[in-house]
Amino acid sequence: DQQVKQNSPSLSVQEGRISILNCDYTNSMFDYFLWYKKYPAEGPTFLISISSIKDKNEDGRFTVFLNKSAKHLSLHIVPSQPGDSAVYFCAANRVEYGNKLVFGAGTILRVKS
Amino acid sequence: NAGVTQTPKFQVLKTGQSMTLQCAQDMNHNSMYWYRQDPGMGLRLIYYSASEGTTDKGEVPNGYNVSRLNKREFSLRLESAAPSQTSVYFCASSELQANTGELFFGEGSRLTVL
Repeated sequence: DQQVKQNSPSLSVQEGRISILNCDYTNSMFDYFLWYKKYPAEGPTFLISISSIKDKNEDGRFTVFLNKSAKHLSLHIVPSQPGDSAVYFCAANRVEYGNKLVFGAGTILRVKS
Repeated sequence: NAGVTQTPKFQVLKTGQSMTLQCAQDMNHNSMYWYRQDPGMGLRLIYYSASEGTTDKGEVPNGYNVSRLNKREFSLRLESAAPSQTSVYFCASSELQANTGELFFGEGSRLTVL
């Protein structure tokens, strides 16, 4: 049973438009949610996070929204750029368990120019 | 500043062979982790080490052993490789006090077991 789910294996978006990547979770005890970005043949890199006590966190073109009642979070990228094409992993963390992240399966984002 | 370095980057094994994946970090982090990435499964935690001298099992520890050699190094050993262990392996490190969960990953080691 996956605690963190990314139900869309892939997403294709036109350059300049908004990309919305979605993630659902089942464990209401998670304290932080994170997004990681991964290019081929590289390791994942941290992109943005949000605490469970907040509903929005913004960093430049990237915004993460958290809806705790729906156990759902989303990553918005505006405007999307071809360099954003990568695999995006949603992850969740419980502070009392250390930084043992639970990851979703990932969504492949392709931004077309 | 190299960050997290993994060796080897590629390895092909026959069933039953053993090997060790090496990982070293130069960020003075206390915690280190081994994950495996499989298609459709995301990244799954194999073992982690909260601090030097401690190790503990993650979600998928069967068939693996680890050694936290010192603060910098954390190795993953496959004693008798099986085709189900064909995967991409990632080592990561973090500051335990950074409770947000930000991990720093290596570039990965692609292992194929025939």
